[in-house]
Amino acid sequence: QQQVKQSPQSLIVQKGGIPIINCAYENTAFDYFPWYQQFPGKGPALLIAIRPDVSEKKEGRFTISFNKSAKQFSLHIMDSQPGDSATYFCAASSRTGRRALTFGSGTRLQVQP
Amino acid sequence: NAGVTQTPKFQVLKTGQSMTLQCAQDMNHEYMSWYRQDPGMGLRLIHYSVGAGITDQGEVPNGYNVSRSTTEDFPLRLLSAAPSQTSVYFCASRYDRASGNEQFFGPGTRLTVL
Repeated sequence: QQQVKQSPQSLIVQKGGIPIINCAYENTAFDYFPWYQQFPGKGPALLIAIRPDVSEKKEGRFTISFNKSAKQFSLHIMDSQPGDSATYFCAASSRTGRRALTFGSGTRLQVQP
Repeated sequence: NAGVTQTPKFQVLKTGQSMTLQCAQDMNHEYMSWYRQDPGMGLRLIHYSVGAGITDQGEVPNGYNVSRSTTEDFPLRLLSAAPSQTSVYFCASRYDRASGNEQFFGPGTRLTVL
């Protein structure tokens, strides 16, 4: 049972483009939605996160859009750079139960120069 | 701060062998967890701990044991390695069990079981 569904699996954009990665969730108890960035051979690192009480959050070139009624959230990368080439994971955690992060399957982003 | 450290970086085992993956954090975090990462499947929770002496199962606990005798250390034991346990293993920690605290990951251990 995949509680967080992520798409697309892979994405290629040109430098300066705006890649968009989408995630959908099922568990209405989820109350924290982070995005993690992972470079080859490294552990995931927190990029940006959002709570369900806001519809958008921006940090630098990274923006999360959140649609609570549709149970969907997405990551937008403005003015993408070759250095943004990495794998991106969405995740969610609940205010009850294990409270562990449940991850999407990941999106491999390649930004071409 | 070293953050979350994991040893070894790489390991090759034969089917049936046992081993322990080490994880330590120096941030005085209560909550620690182990994930495995497989292609196309994201990270899946194996076991987690909300504090010293307290552990619980995640999504995929079979074949793994954990213990938490100190706040700093959270080792993962493979009892009898199987090829299906070939994966990259990540240890993570965060301040406490509250949803919303940033979770920090170690650099990972790449395990191959022949």
